[in-house]
Amino acid sequence: DIQMSQSPSTVSASVGDKVTITCRASRSIGSWLAWYQLKPGKAPQFLIYQASHLQSGVPSRFSGSGSGTEFTLTISSLQPDDFATYYCQQYNIDPRTFGQGTKVEIK
Amino acid sequence: QVQLVQSGAEVKKPGASVKVSCKAYGYSFTNCDINWVRLAAGQGLEWVGRLNPNAGHTDLTQKFQDRVTMTMDTSTSTAYMELRSLRSEDTAVYYCARGSPIVEADVDYWGQGTPVTVSS
Repeated sequence: DIQMSQSPSTVSASVGDKVTITCRASRSIGSWLAWYQLKPGKAPQFLIYQASHLQSGVPSRFSGSGSGTEFTLTISSLQPDDFATYYCQQYNIDPRTFGQGTKVEIK
Repeated sequence: QVQLVQSGAEVKKPGASVKVSCKAYGYSFTNCDINWVRLAAGQGLEWVGRLNPNAGHTDLTQKFQDRVTMTMDTSTSTAYMELRSLRSEDTAVYYCARGSPIVEADVDYWGQGTPVTVSS
C-alpha cells in the first residue's frame, strides 16, 4: 500500500494568515492526489483534485501543487470558515490511502 | 443538487453486525461509484472500498474483505455497507462518498457520516 504522511499534524494560525500543509507519498503517485476538508458533524468537503485543480465552488484562496511524492495545500488568507482538519488522499492505485490529517486551529 | 444522506448512529455489541445506508439524490445513481471511508477517533481516514452500482461490482481493502458486504437498491438509489463480527476498533464514523464523474478526480460528494459505536 502507498503510505501518505502529512505535516504538520497541527497548525495554529490567525485569520488572514497564509497556511501551507505538506503531504508526502511513499512512492510516486504522479498527480493523483486530492485534498479534503473535514469538520465535526458535517459532510467532508472536496477541495482539490489531480494535485492542483480546484473543485468547482471552492474559494480561490485554496491552492494545491506538487507531483510525484511531494504535494502542498496552501490557504492564502485564512478565513474563519477554514478552521478544520485537512486530509490528502492518493488515488493512483487501490487501496486508496489518506494522510493522517492536519488540524488548522485558531491561534 | 447532489446529496448523500446516511442512516443514523448505531450502537452495537462486539460480534454483532451493522448495516449503514446511503441514499443518493440529485444525480443518476448507477452512473457513479459509491465509496465507503471511515474515521476512527485519533486516527486518519481509512478507505473501506467501493461499489459500482451499474455492475454491482465491489472493490474492498484487503483487511475488510472477510467482514464487509456492499450492496445497493437501484429502485431507491440507496447503497448499503454491512460490517460483520464487530470489534471495539471498528468504532468510527462511516462515510459514503460518490465517485466523481470527472475522470481526473476520485470522490467528490460525501454523506454526513454515520457514527458506529462498538461496546459491550
